Amino acid sequence: DAGVIQSPRHEVTEMGQEVTLRCKPISGHDYLFWYRQTMMRGLELLIYFNNNVPIDDSGMPEDRFSAKMPNASFSTLKIQPSEPRDSAVYFCASRLAGEFSYNEQFFGPGTRLTVL
Amino acid sequence: AQTVTQSQPEMSVQEAETVTLSCTYDTSESDYYLFWYKQPPSRQMILVIRQEAYKQQNATENRFSVNFQKAAKSFSLKISDSQLGDAAMYFCAYRRGGDYKLSFGAGTTVTVRA
Repeated sequence: DAGVIQSPRHEVTEMGQEVTLRCKPISGHDYLFWYRQTMMRGLELLIYFNNNVPIDDSGMPEDRFSAKMPNASFSTLKIQPSEPRDSAVYFCASRLAGEFSYNEQFFGPGTRLTVL
Repeated sequence: AQTVTQSQPEMSVQEAETVTLSCTYDTSESDYYLFWYKQPPSRQMILVIRQEAYKQQNATENRFSVNFQKAAKSFSLKISDSQLGDAAMYFCAYRRGGDYKLSFGAGTTVTVRA
């Protein structure tokens, strides 16, 4: 398996522009997570899905952020409009349900977002 | 909300020596899991080791082992025979049993001296 795939790996945009980050989870995984990593706040969970349905979006910082999962193979995190304080590394992770050790979260390589 | 605290922002170790990273957590749950993740300069988050709270035996994975002190809510990671490839940021993480959200500590940067 190719693992969790994220695109783009790097994104530089200007304040006010719309940004869309993409994630393809590991095939067969039924949970998908979006995290944000910054120096100030560390790793924060933004939102997670189970079987394509958002379960907990309490970590989404503002209405400017939205996430969708139209099917089991694809999810997007959109920021509109973007602001400089959104600059961070955004990770996507996926996992299987159940408490076996091999079910734990696998992370993608992250997208480094810079908003100028 | 659960909190995970890593009090050591940076640690340095000589190659082939041992280093121990500290982590404490706060929870009222009895069913939970603890983790150490490694983040090398490539940014990829890699699961190093997992500990189930109901298990008294400390988890080990090759050169990595933990000291799980449930009553003290302490979960330290020991890296033995340190190698240059161990240089990374290490994150302690917690999740409640049956809930798949992870809560992370602030991380500890490990430098390995040749």
